[in-house]
Amino acid sequence: AQKITQTQPGMFVQEKEAVTLDCTYDTSDPSYGLFWYKQPSSGEMIFLIYQGSYDQQNATEGRYSLNFQKARKSANLVISASQLGDSAMYFCAMREGVGFAGNTPLVFGKGTRLSVIA
Amino acid sequence: GAGVSQSPRYKVAKRGQDVALRCDPISGHVSLFWYQQALGQGPEFLTYFQNEAQLDKSGLPSDRFFAERPEGSVSTLKIQRTQQEDSAVYLCASSLDRSGANVLTFGAGSRLTVL
Repeated sequence: AQKITQTQPGMFVQEKEAVTLDCTYDTSDPSYGLFWYKQPSSGEMIFLIYQGSYDQQNATEGRYSLNFQKARKSANLVISASQLGDSAMYFCAMREGVGFAGNTPLVFGKGTRLSVIA
Repeated sequence: GAGVSQSPRYKVAKRGQDVALRCDPISGHVSLFWYQQALGQGPEFLTYFQNEAQLDKSGLPSDRFFAERPEGSVSTLKIQRTQQEDSAVYLCASSLDRSGANVLTFGAGSRLTVL
């Protein structure tokens, strides 16, 4: 079964508008972390935002915020005031057993391609 | 260095050739990961090192894939007898310590094309 599901292969948004990119996840581990990465055409994965499963508040980083709904197992990324430079692939990822010794790998979704229109 | 450096950025190999991909992580980063990203897909985990120890290689697709990090810094991913299905971008990432919440910093990747 897929651990990370991103149901939107592609999204369009008008410049200066807000956009929500969907992500649902599947885990039975009570301790986990959720990450969003941006991958522009240059190929490098750029970290955007992190949410821990025990965090009480939704994470925010500048124009990025994470709408974390634990009961629904969703971790949607909200980008406010979209800019042309936001056009890229966006990946949701999860790591289980966060905070314990040893690193479990990040598991990625298939990604959503965001296109910002002037 | 300031970031994770990978070389070569592009590699074209004939089927059956051996290739070696290098990753130079951020100085002092304990953890190092290799991922494979096929066209239009998300990255798939290959293997993980903590210093020089390879703690997880469950994602390596076959015994043709081999990775090492002998001195706990630079890592090399080797693919023997390459096949067309090995064509992908190979991403390396590093992080500072064992804490799972640590952010992975990725390199720009090595794009392998097998003809």
